[in-house]
Amino acid sequence: KQEVTQIPAALSVPEGENLVLNCSFTDSAIYNLQWFRQDPGKGLTSLLLIQSSQREQTSGRLNASLDKSSGRSTLYIAASQPGDSATYLCAVSSGYSTLTFGKGTMLLVSP
Amino acid sequence: DTEVTQTPKHLVMGMTNKKSLKCEQHMGHRAMYWYKQKAKKPPELMFVYSYEKLSINESVPSRFSPECPNSSLLNLHLHALQPEDSALYLCASSRGGGRGREGEQFFGPGTRLTVL
Repeated sequence: KQEVTQIPAALSVPEGENLVLNCSFTDSAIYNLQWFRQDPGKGLTSLLLIQSSQREQTSGRLNASLDKSSGRSTLYIAASQPGDSATYLCAVSSGYSTLTFGKGTMLLVSP
Repeated sequence: DTEVTQTPKHLVMGMTNKKSLKCEQHMGHRAMYWYKQKAKKPPELMFVYSYEKLSINESVPSRFSPECPNSSLLNLHLHALQPEDSALYLCASSRGGGRGREGEQFFGPGTRLTVL
């Protein structure tokens, strides 16, 4: 059974810092890995999708990497802003229509 | 249009009520999902519809009844719920369910359900 772990559980940084969120998974036979953002009480916003054949994806200040053999992904956020404050969820697809979520990293960026 | 919409945004119901949650997408996606999310927990998959047929039912109690009237709509009918069913109910859709962009899931804003 796939298990997804996210470290750290919470992170507080001053504005402008570059930061890295970590995600690890136990079964390397994955279809995709998705990073989501969730604001309190809201739905999930898809940030980046990395397909199993890819090593990284970039969108604006976000860069996600995937090392399938070691079961790890990182989400790099450059020049963090207070508006980046949210919970970031990593989710792995290991089969048709299934996503296994980590517990998330709660990020607070202070002005 | 990359939007999944859900109604209502908030719902308060008693344990004897019958209510329905609605989800709609116009992206031509053929897979739609219901998730349940409790506070400070990740979403938990409840049901998956693929090409309007129920393909995954994660052992959800029968007081939750999904329905997919057509490829754009997904309903969740609620009856005789318990207070512990209070949660954020999220709908999602994807082009298909397999690898790559086919399996990328897009989520709606959710319905905050409170059962008294």
